[in-house]
Amino acid sequence: QKEVEQDPGPLSVPEGAIVSLNCTYSNSAFQYFMWYRQYSRKGPELLMYTYSSGNKEDGRFTAQVDKSSKYISLFIRDSQPSDSATYLCATLTGTASKLTFGTGTRLQVTL
Amino acid sequence: NAGVMQNPRHLVRRRGQEARLRCSPMKGHSHVYWYRQLPEEGLKFMVYLQKENIIDESGMPKERFSAEFPKEGPSILRIQQVVRGDSAAYFCASSPPGGLTEAFFGQGTRLTVV
Repeated sequence: QKEVEQDPGPLSVPEGAIVSLNCTYSNSAFQYFMWYRQYSRKGPELLMYTYSSGNKEDGRFTAQVDKSSKYISLFIRDSQPSDSATYLCATLTGTASKLTFGTGTRLQVTL
Repeated sequence: NAGVMQNPRHLVRRRGQEARLRCSPMKGHSHVYWYRQLPEEGLKFMVYLQKENIIDESGMPKERFSAEFPKEGPSILRIQQVVRGDSAAYFCASSPPGGLTEAFFGQGTRLTVV
């Protein structure tokens, strides 16, 4: 079993839709939960991260962590064609020296 | 303020040759991480280095792969006697001390072994 599971998609939505991206994880020691955006043939770019459970909002993006069910989510409101990319979730323990990534979900926002 | 610089962006090597990938961290960052991304897969951790020290190499293949981060100059990921299975995108990230939540990634080096 992979430590972080993520549906690879692709996920196609119309412009303006609310997008929900999700990951599950198995290691209870994970404390930090990150979301990266990766455009084609580019490096990953950190969107936001949360520590432990709860919600965090940044503009059109909301990250949510439910440690009881080991479930992490990223919501994108009013999606735009420029949001079309692969979204990677990643986790980190408090003492670890490495990020553990999901496989990424490819999102396509259509006009 | 330049970001994490990786070069070359694209590298083609024949089987059995050596590949050298370079990474210059962001200004003020002393920690470097290397990740490998195979097609349709997420990023896999390879190695974590500080200046002149390898801190965690648990993700490095036991043979043919090595990494260094000298006192002066960029970090180098070296792959000897490349095989087709080494074809992948290799990403470097850098961070300040203890700051993986503040890590920035480079644009990657795409290695193709022919």
